[in-house]
Amino acid sequence: QVQLVQSGAEVKNPGASVKVSCKASGYTFTSYHIHWVRQAPGQGLEWLGIMNCGNGDTSYAQRFRGRVTMTRDTSTNTAYMDLSRLRSEDTALYYCAREGLTFSPGDIWGQGTMVTVFS
Amino acid sequence: QSALTQPASVSESLGQSITISCTGTSSDIGYYNCVSWFQQHPGKAPKVMIYNVTNRPSGISNRFSGSKSGNTASLTISGLQDEDEADYYCSSYTTRNTYVFGPGTKVTVL
Repeated sequence: QVQLVQSGAEVKNPGASVKVSCKASGYTFTSYHIHWVRQAPGQGLEWLGIMNCGNGDTSYAQRFRGRVTMTRDTSTNTAYMDLSRLRSEDTALYYCAREGLTFSPGDIWGQGTMVTVFS
Repeated sequence: QSALTQPASVSESLGQSITISCTGTSSDIGYYNCVSWFQQHPGKAPKVMIYNVTNRPSGISNRFSGSKSGNTASLTISGLQDEDEADYYCSSYTTRNTYVFGPGTKVTVL
């Protein structure tokens, strides 16, 4: 079945980087875009960016430009989100989501990856 | 801070209807018909209920409907059921080739 499976929880120190993976299965990976969305504990959804899994083109939210990088490996159908210079406010559940419906960030969602920034 | 605004909470009795508003600007909701609505139950991933303002994905009840007027989009849930109690988020594509979410609305079924 169509699914996105994300990597496990991470604990990082302030100033470090984290790389979260999102492995797709059950569909043609390169035919869809992947969004990354995060949710801090008890807070709302926040959009980080989008990647075209076919050609690798990306668009990032203004406040994350310079800190976030989205890439993919088409040989393993895996998308990656790298966030650098972590601070405590980056503690959140990070989701990848497929754009299977036009201009809608997520018909299929990963299970989420908890990233805790802790000194 | 979200670029879209939503009411923090809405409450209504079982079987009744509610409408949740989502107000943006002429650079997002007002410019494109690219508004989506997501339902999120505690501890679960969001689920898309409406996309492109009015479209329901396969499997979504027709009790959920969407509309838009100017810079404001709306989600209406009719015949409220217990399972509709959740957080609801709107999102929109923007003229900066980005997306933005609203802050979310907590729906309580009385």
